[in-house]
Amino acid sequence: DADVTQTPRNRITKTGKRIMLECSQTKGHDRMYWYRQDPGLGLRLIYYSFDVKDINKGEISDGYSVSRQAQAKFSLSLESAIPNQTALYFCATSDPYSSYNEQFFGPGTRLTVL
Amino acid sequence: RKEVEQDPGPFNVPEGATVAFNCTYSNSASQSFFWYRQDCRKEPKLLMSVYSSGNEDGRFTAQLNRASQYISLLIRDSKLSDSATYLCVVTNYGQNFVFGPGTRLSVLP
Repeated sequence: DADVTQTPRNRITKTGKRIMLECSQTKGHDRMYWYRQDPGLGLRLIYYSFDVKDINKGEISDGYSVSRQAQAKFSLSLESAIPNQTALYFCATSDPYSSYNEQFFGPGTRLTVL
Repeated sequence: RKEVEQDPGPFNVPEGATVAFNCTYSNSASQSFFWYRQDCRKEPKLLMSVYSSGNEDGRFTAQLNRASQYISLLIRDSKLSDSATYLCVVTNYGQNFVFGPGTRLSVLP
């Protein structure tokens, strides 16, 4: 089983709709992140959380919100989706106590806003 | 100036070639450095961490120059399966991971 899972894997929605992307992890990591990736661009950080109830804005948080109710789950919401939020969304985790500090990514959610 | 910059690519090389990617970062407080590999429409996966003394993993060699704020990745004897986008990542004690835009590599038969 994958350590970091995301649901849904693909989603098509209409402008103005509220949608939620879910991320779950079994790695036991405290830190979780949401990124978006657009063609030709690197990953850009939306929000991150270092612990349950800890929420921090990233580079591009406008139009998004998150919830971290449990260590294993971090959800991303688009309150009113717009077409320029069409992108590939990745959730990631990291362990600050690891020697390597690397991030582990979920498989991604491909979101299309019409 | 972007915080992490990479060779724009794409790199198209024949099988067996040696190819090098460069990455520069602007935050001198950065402490940890990585190369990730991303296949088309897939999640990034860690290729290797980059240590101050340089490190090698099979055909892959990573180098770090803190004074010049420069990281490199060398791939020897390229395989078709090496075709992917290579992402340079820097972080400050895991507080904030900053990704470069990536360099795409195509290894041709």
